[in-house]
Amino acid sequence: DQQVKQNSPSLSVQEGRISILNCDYTNSMFDYFLWYKKYPAEGPTFLISISSIKDKNEDGRFTVFLNKSAKHLSLHIVPSQPGDSAVYFCAASGTGANNLFFGTGTRLTVIP
Amino acid sequence: DTAVSQTPKYLVTQMGNDKSIKCEQNLGHDTMYWYKQDSKKFLKIMFSYNNKELIINETVPNRFSPKSPDKAHLNLHINSLELGDSAVYFCASRGSGGHTEAFFGQGTRLTVV
Repeated sequence: DQQVKQNSPSLSVQEGRISILNCDYTNSMFDYFLWYKKYPAEGPTFLISISSIKDKNEDGRFTVFLNKSAKHLSLHIVPSQPGDSAVYFCAASGTGANNLFFGTGTRLTVIP
Repeated sequence: DTAVSQTPKYLVTQMGNDKSIKCEQNLGHDTMYWYKQDSKKFLKIMFSYNNKELIINETVPNRFSPKSPDKAHLNLHINSLELGDSAVYFCASRGSGGHTEAFFGQGTRLTVV
């Protein structure tokens, strides 16, 4: 039973435009959400996170939005750059819980 | 200096063999994980290990067993390898408190022939 879902396996965006990656979760006990970026033949690397007490967190070109009522979060990248082309994973964990659950990933391609 | 390192990076072996993948972290983290990324690219948690407490994903076959000689190491042992075990295995570590990120190793691509 997959608790974190990314329904778009791929996304293509023109350089300079906004990329929006979406993630849905089912477990209402999740209170911390993360986005990871993964290049081929490498491990996932942490990008940005958000606590459930916030609805937005921004770090440079990356912004994560959280809608708790909809159990939905999104990652906005603006402006998108060719180097952003990678697979992006959404992840979630609950208070005091060790497990970190990942979505299936979205492959972002930024077209120069 | 690599924060989470796992060896080997590639492992090719025959069906029925027993193999191990090693993982070490130098971040002082209390929690370590093993994830499996299969052909569908889904990152599935296999185990989490925190202060000697092992939490096992119930769908993981008992041919897979984690071994932690100390807090900095969590090795993965696989007995009687099967073709379906072919995947990329990632080790990760995470600090305590819940609201922290996990750091991943570079992955081990296991191919069972």
